[in-house]
Amino acid sequence: DTGVSQDPRHKITKRGQNVTFRCDPISEHNRLYWYRQTLGQGPEFLTYFQNEAQLEKSRLLSDRFSAERPKGSFSTLEIQRTEQGDSAMYLCASSPRTLFVYEQYFGPGTRLTVT
Amino acid sequence: QKEVEQDPGPLSVPEGAIVSLNCTYSNSAFQYFMWYRQYSRKGPELLMYTYSSGNKEDGRFTAQVDKSSKYISLFIRDSQPSDSATYLCAMSAMDSSYKLIFGSGTRLLVRP
Repeated sequence: DTGVSQDPRHKITKRGQNVTFRCDPISEHNRLYWYRQTLGQGPEFLTYFQNEAQLEKSRLLSDRFSAERPKGSFSTLEIQRTEQGDSAMYLCASSPRTLFVYEQYFGPGTRLTVT
Repeated sequence: QKEVEQDPGPLSVPEGAIVSLNCTYSNSAFQYFMWYRQYSRKGPELLMYTYSSGNKEDGRFTAQVDKSSKYISLFIRDSQPSDSATYLCAMSAMDSSYKLIFGSGTRLLVRP
């Protein structure tokens, strides 16, 4: 079990550019979550997938954000027209197919800096 | 007011001390309670999880949940310098997403 992986680990972009992040969950985990964490705060929920279906989105996820999980495997999170306020750590977590689905395992995160 | 409150610290203790970390919450729908450890610029690492009220022990770590008081704790025995990190409590309701609601984290420093 190799754990959740995220790519890239760090992204620096200029305001107005588009960025895309990738998350590879633990194999056979059917639930995948995206969170955002700013300095000194805990992670905040953005969205989640069960298999390929995106089932819930937070109000934090403005229309500049889009997430996909084709074929229920890896997921991508795209931010269009980035703003300085988008600077944060973007975390991905996956959760196994169990009766009580509450364990979430996090990846190392992608740190986004918008200049 | 946040749903989950956690003292940010920092909490500084000598090596070998017993550490007590706490969170309070306001949403009575929370049923699952977790503690994560996060080192600087890394992703959170799941330490322990509990369902509903009660205690759970795993090595040097003990998690306690008191739903009547909406209060959860994590105790670390025989603390080590390698325990120095930020500790995040997280909780989840029995809804369809099981999304986690986090506290802001307590920074712990264990001095050699």
